[in-house]
Amino acid sequence: QVQLQESGPGLVKPSQTLSLTCTVSGGSITRGTYYWSWIRQPAGKGLEWIGGIFTTGSANYNPSLKGRFIISIEASKNQFSLKLSSVTAADTAVYYCARLRYFDWYFDYWGQGTLVTVSS
Amino acid sequence: EIVLTQSPGTLSLSPGERATLSCRASQSVSSAYLAWYQQKHGQAPRLLIYAASYRAAGIPDRFSGSGSGTDFTLTISRLESEDFAVYYCQQYGNSPLFGQGTKLEIK
Repeated sequence: QVQLQESGPGLVKPSQTLSLTCTVSGGSITRGTYYWSWIRQPAGKGLEWIGGIFTTGSANYNPSLKGRFIISIEASKNQFSLKLSSVTAADTAVYYCARLRYFDWYFDYWGQGTLVTVSS
Repeated sequence: EIVLTQSPGTLSLSPGERATLSCRASQSVSSAYLAWYQQKHGQAPRLLIYAASYRAAGIPDRFSGSGSGTDFTLTISRLESEDFAVYYCQQYGNSPLFGQGTKLEIK
């Protein structure tokens, strides 16, 4: 059974860089055809795909978002990460990591989510 | 850019009733890439339906999906107390995109 777990700071100051990590267990992050993705959800609002990284290390991002995001993969630790620069209060949200099935294009496994608050 | 519009925004029903949730796309989408998720308060979304009509593993058969083109429907045949939650549809065009959600609440 694949499991995903987000980790990172719950509080980030405006203009700083947010760094989150997703640790995958129950399977190798480099096996199969999956997009390891980040999704966020502001309080009381809907879900927004931020971007994802393929098992080869190729990343793609939501074209509707400005280019402040970087997603990377660390295969040796079975982890992938999100960096978001120049954060503002609008970036306050629950951040989920999830596995997107390539070719099928749905999310079959999700982390429990981590709340990130941007505040001074 | 495709937009997914879910309706109604809130649906108030009683346990035992039938729920019908709609997801409408601004342009035709492949039913192969239409999924539904359930999100309970404080929890991550859970996959219910993929490829418009296929139930994910462990999903009760009271949940069913249908539709094609621009109109898709999630039906819950007989509501149980644990079904009251927010439901999202999701499609893949150039990138994954979610609808704004339908809140299913107890009447």
